[in-house]
Amino acid sequence: KNEVEQSPQNLTAQEGEFITINCSYSVGISALHWLQQHPGGGIVSLFMLSSGKKKHGRLIATINIQEKHSSLHITASHPRDSAVYICAALNSGYSTLTFGKGTMLLVSP
Amino acid sequence: DTAVSQTPKYLVTQMGNDKSIKCEQNLGHDTMYWYKQDSKKFLKIMFSYNNKELIINETVPNRFSPKSPDKAHLNLHINSLELGDSAVYFCASSPRDSSSYTFGSGTRLTVV
Repeated sequence: KNEVEQSPQNLTAQEGEFITINCSYSVGISALHWLQQHPGGGIVSLFMLSSGKKKHGRLIATINIQEKHSSLHITASHPRDSAVYICAALNSGYSTLTFGKGTMLLVSP
Repeated sequence: DTAVSQTPKYLVTQMGNDKSIKCEQNLGHDTMYWYKQDSKKFLKIMFSYNNKELIINETVPNRFSPKSPDKAHLNLHINSLELGDSAVYFCASSPRDSSSYTFGSGTRLTVV
C-alpha cells in the first residue's frame, strides 16, 4: 500500500464542471504538494500546503492535517486543465517527496 | 531563464552501455534530487543531495552513481544499463526550507 493515496485514478469531465481530486497520506509530513504533469511530460508544482487553504486562479487546494487529507479543486474546468495531477507528501526532515499515483483528468469541450 | 535544466531530453542506448544525465539549476537552491518515473507513471525518489553532500540514497542499484561537482549541478551516471532502467528521470531542486520545488523537464531513457 502506497503511503500516499489519491482518488480517483481517472476523471473525465465536461468543460465548466467543478472537479475534486482527493489525497490521503499515512506518513508524517512537513507539507504537501500538488503537482501537474501535462502529456509533454514536464512537472509543475501548483501548490505547497502545510495548513488550511490556498487559491490560485481557478485552482483551490485544502489540507486537513489532523485527518491527513488534502483536496484539489478546479472550478469552471477547461480542456487545457487536462493533465495528470499528483499529490506528493514532503517528508519531515529530508525534503524528499513521496508521490501518489496521480489522477488523470480529461476535460472535454 | 531561471530553471532546472536536464540534458539530454531523450536517450536511447543498448543494454550494457554506460550513460550520464546532466542536471543544472540556477535558482540558488541548496538541495537537488533525482526522481525516477516508471512505465506506470509512478514517481519515486532516488537520491537527494544537500550542498554537494549525499543525504538520501533510496534502494537504487549501485550501478547508479550521482555526482555533484558543486551545489548547482547533480549528474547521474548509470553503468551497465539494463532494460528495466528504461524510464523518465527527473532532476529537481528546492531551497533549504523546501518552500518551493522545481523540476527539470525530464530525460526519457530507453534501453534496447
